[in-house]
Amino acid sequence: AQSVTQLDSQVPVFEEAPVELRCNYSSSVSVYLFWYVQYPNQGLQLLLKYLSGSTLVESINGFEAEFNKSQTSFHLRKPSVHISDTAEYFCAVIDSGAGSYQLTFGKGTKLSVIP
Amino acid sequence: SQTIHQWPATLVQPVGSPLSLECTVEGTSNPNLYWYRQAAGRGLQLLFYSVGIGQISSEVPQNLSASRPQDRQFILSSKKLLLSDSGFYLCAWSHRDSYEQYFGPGTRLTVT
Repeated sequence: AQSVTQLDSQVPVFEEAPVELRCNYSSSVSVYLFWYVQYPNQGLQLLLKYLSGSTLVESINGFEAEFNKSQTSFHLRKPSVHISDTAEYFCAVIDSGAGSYQLTFGKGTKLSVIP
Repeated sequence: SQTIHQWPATLVQPVGSPLSLECTVEGTSNPNLYWYRQAAGRGLQLLFYSVGIGQISSEVPQNLSASRPQDRQFILSSKKLLLSDSGFYLCAWSHRDSYEQYFGPGTRLTVT
């Protein structure tokens, strides 16, 4: 079964500084990868996804993530964070080779942007 | 466009009482439906998923059950709540052959 590791449970960062939220998954031949964002007391919103093609994927609000198959990673980055980016971020994976549509989530990383 | 609703938004129930949480999806047909539970520091745990009316798969043995009486309605139930059932319950949907899941606003359940 797939597993997802988000190495940092909390990441404080100053406003306008860069940030990287780390995500590693257990090895598999074929995976689809996702980042979701959750604001306090709300549901999850899809931030970006990797299904195929370019290993670098971007969101509309400046986040990007790079699929690295050799390192089984899908780290999330933003060059300059804003106060509004304060939220919890979840990495998720689907083992596409298993013919399943079930997401496996990491435990989340709470990003706190400090003014 | 598609929307997903969950109610109630918050719920406080005593131990041993029954539970019924409802999720409905609008603007699509034949969706896959999912129930997740989110506990503090544990991420999201898939509880049930459904690919059609009356078709429910359980991922974690527990005292919860799920039903899908209509194509776009998904219900999470319990006959007797436990303290450990407290958490944030999220419903999600996806298109039948899609990997992208879309989440509802959630229900915060506190069992006292």
